[in-house]
Amino acid sequence: DAKTTQPTSMDCAEGRAANLPCNHSTISGNEYVYWYRQIHSQGPQYIIHGLKNNETNEMASLIITEDRKSSTLILPHATLRDTAVYYCIVRGNNAGNNRKLIWGLGTSLAVNP
Amino acid sequence: KAGVTQTPRYLIKTRGQQVTLSCSPISGHRSVSWYQQTPGQGLQFLFEYFSETQRNKGNFPGRFSGRQFSNSRSEMNVSTLELGDSALYLCASSLRLDQETQYFGPGTRLLVL
Repeated sequence: DAKTTQPTSMDCAEGRAANLPCNHSTISGNEYVYWYRQIHSQGPQYIIHGLKNNETNEMASLIITEDRKSSTLILPHATLRDTAVYYCIVRGNNAGNNRKLIWGLGTSLAVNP
Repeated sequence: KAGVTQTPRYLIKTRGQQVTLSCSPISGHRSVSWYQQTPGQGLQFLFEYFSETQRNKGNFPGRFSGRQFSNSRSEMNVSTLELGDSALYLCASSLRLDQETQYFGPGTRLLVL
């Protein structure tokens, strides 16, 4: 199963764009990149996912490089409520119906006023 | 729709005891996954249930078990508790087994003394 590498922590000024990078150099062709975030003391919240094309929804944009070895989650106008741990994960795709999401330790994003 | 609910939210047990945690998925969701989250290890996958059958399992000892009922509600049990079992236990539901977007509950925080 592909692993991901993310910076341990990042800062961002309120109102500015937050760009969170993720490396997944061992990703295989049929594996999706997922992003979740976890606000303190809550369960993780789904943000966005993609395979090879860039994706956008009401929460964020996901930019995946052409070789799919890295991606960037973009929060276009960060607010204080976006302070959270952000997880970039790749869908594990074992044989049969086995699949699980491999979670790293994520990036702790602090949005400062 | 109501979100994923987990009970109890907090629990204190002593070593050697056993504990049962409960998870009610989003209405209509048939897949339930369980995760253990500790500060040093991040989220670790325990197991996944679909249609009352365990479909996927992480690398945890046999003391950790689970089941799913016909209404998709799930329970997990930890027997012979150890200090290292202190963690946040998260339940996530998804529509189908191959539905990768998971919706998490708030978790049950277990403290083993």
